[in-house]
Amino acid sequence: GQQVMQIPQYQHVQEGEDFTTYCNSSTTLSNIQWYKQRPGGHPVFLIQLVKSGEVKKQKRLTFQFGEAKKNSSLHITATQTTDVGTYFCADGGSNYKLTFGKGTLLTVNP
Amino acid sequence: DAGVIQSPRHEVTEMGQEVTLRCKPISGHNSLFWYRQTMMRGLELLIYFNNNVPIDDSGMPEDRFSAKMPNASFSTLKIQPSEPRDSAVYFCASSIAGYNVLTFGAGSRLTVL
Repeated sequence: GQQVMQIPQYQHVQEGEDFTTYCNSSTTLSNIQWYKQRPGGHPVFLIQLVKSGEVKKQKRLTFQFGEAKKNSSLHITATQTTDVGTYFCADGGSNYKLTFGKGTLLTVNP
Repeated sequence: DAGVIQSPRHEVTEMGQEVTLRCKPISGHNSLFWYRQTMMRGLELLIYFNNNVPIDDSGMPEDRFSAKMPNASFSTLKIQPSEPRDSAVYFCASSIAGYNVLTFGAGSRLTVL
């Protein structure tokens, strides 16, 4: 798998503020997956993006895949305390091997 | 479905001891993965099985680590002898081959003193 870089490493917001995490690759990605890991928990699959420029929404979460398929973003509108956790992107290019980014830890101040 | 089941959830042991972690994948999933998670290195793939056969063990740190999958419903990850630097959370995950969306177990938190 290719290396994917995530920024920022940490993000602290006030409840109600928006949040965005970015995932970047130096090479073209076949597809990208996003996972969420709550504190003390395990990664849970959120979504997979495959097409160039693809945008998918899950309630307050918006996922985008760049036109060049080298970057992706996850945007949360009006964060809630339940959004706390680490968000990982993963390069799903190989037919089995996911390469995970280091993740963005989101904390939300109520 | 109970999901991916791992045991033990927590293990504290002393350096030099043998550690065995266990995993039961989701029924019908024919791919199984062992990952290690640390603050410094993030999520690292240790080994991947497909239909009970080890396909990629390039992530296994060294000979002290071994993994087996004797049947479709059970896998073990063994560390012998354990060292303090092995302290981490070890996750087992399973998927359907060719559809690489992973379902993770709750993890086994290992502390080696």
